[in-house]
Amino acid sequence: LAKTTQPISMDSYEGQEVNITCSHNNIATNDYITWYQQFPSQGPRFIIQGYKTKVTNEVASLFIPADRKSSTLSLPRVSLSDTAVYYCLVGESGFQKLVFGTGTRLLVSP
Amino acid sequence: SQTIHQWPATLVQPVGSPLSLECTVEGTSNPNLYWYRQAAGRGLQLLFYSVGIGQISSEVPQNLSASRPQDRQFILSSKKLLLSDSGFYLCAWSALRDMNTEAFFGQGTRLTVV
Repeated sequence: LAKTTQPISMDSYEGQEVNITCSHNNIATNDYITWYQQFPSQGPRFIIQGYKTKVTNEVASLFIPADRKSSTLSLPRVSLSDTAVYYCLVGESGFQKLVFGTGTRLLVSP
Repeated sequence: SQTIHQWPATLVQPVGSPLSLECTVEGTSNPNLYWYRQAAGRGLQLLFYSVGIGQISSEVPQNLSASRPQDRQFILSSKKLLLSDSGFYLCAWSALRDMNTEAFFGQGTRLTVV
């Protein structure tokens, strides 16, 4: 699996857009990029997955540049309930091992 | 729909006692199964993963073991718990050959070794 690097923590305020970037310089041709969200004392929850360009769903957008060596999770208009740890994973679709990095701890304040 | 069950939710065990945590998945067949541990304020550490019955891969040497006696059952065990085994244990599953690599997690077991 390609190694990922994310900021350890980020702070934001309610209503702002938050962009969390993940670096994955060694991403392979068949690798997908997946983001998870984890609240305290809960298991991570899938947010979004993409391969290239832009993917958008009801909770987030994922931007992937042409070289795919990084990706950015964009959370529009965050609320207090978006305070969580966000993990970026890179790996082949259907891959067997799911290794989580240290994640980014997002704190949203009033 | 698929569901994952993990129990118990909390557990307090003395040092040296055995451990058995069970995880079962419903609504899918031949899933990848995973056990993770999360220490307080830390990230998720992959302990074991399995791609089929009786097939277990260990990621971290420790006094824990895992077994997969049935397709949708994954068990985490220890013969003698250590204080350092305390943590939040999570079971997860994902589809083996699916374009979507989404993993689904159980509710977790909070283990305190005293």
